[in-house]
Amino acid sequence: EDKVVQSPLSLVVHEGDTVTLNCSYEVTNFRSLLWYKQEKKAPTFLFMLTSSGIEKKSGRLSSILDKKELFSILNITATQTGDSAVYLCARGSGNTGKLIFGQGTTLQVKP
Amino acid sequence: SAVISQKPSRDICQRGTSLTIQCQVDSQVTMMFWYRQQPGQSLTLIATANQGSEATYESGFVIDKFPISRPNLTFSTLTVSNMSPEDSSIYLCSVHNLAGPYNEQFFGPGTRLTVL
Repeated sequence: EDKVVQSPLSLVVHEGDTVTLNCSYEVTNFRSLLWYKQEKKAPTFLFMLTSSGIEKKSGRLSSILDKKELFSILNITATQTGDSAVYLCARGSGNTGKLIFGQGTTLQVKP
Repeated sequence: SAVISQKPSRDICQRGTSLTIQCQVDSQVTMMFWYRQQPGQSLTLIATANQGSEATYESGFVIDKFPISRPNLTFSTLTVSNMSPEDSSIYLCSVHNLAGPYNEQFFGPGTRLTVL
């Protein structure tokens, strides 16, 4: 069965801390790994990763994929209270285009 | 990325009734999807909305309960039929960006449904 597992499930940090969120997946028909940020209802697209070892970066956020070990990490440096959200990881399926989501990591950044 | 709107934004419904949710995109997209997010849970794909043909449903979801229409490349509807409190969820449509990589999907603002 296709599965995406995120860890930790929840995390509380203080402003300025650096956090690393983890996502592991099963390899069947893998095509891509996506990260989203969900604050209220709609997930906001962050990154899509298809190649191993190539870091994608946007401001204080960065992400990398390891296709050999079947995982991805999302790093957030110098966290701010505005980073508080649920971070979702999803794997893309090659043939159908559909996404399979992990459980999400709830991040709370305290002032 | 495409601009996606959903209507209604939220609704409170009585059990046994049905609600139709609309998803409108400002540009043509090849693929549209409907997801459900139950309270405290992650997103689960309900179905792929196919333009001009029947939707493709995921395991555990059936057309009688979640009929879907997609009359053109910019619009889709999801109906939640004969609702029960277990249908209380956020319903999200997403689109595949025609100009972008294959799996890259963007989400609409969501519909928060509460069934009493």
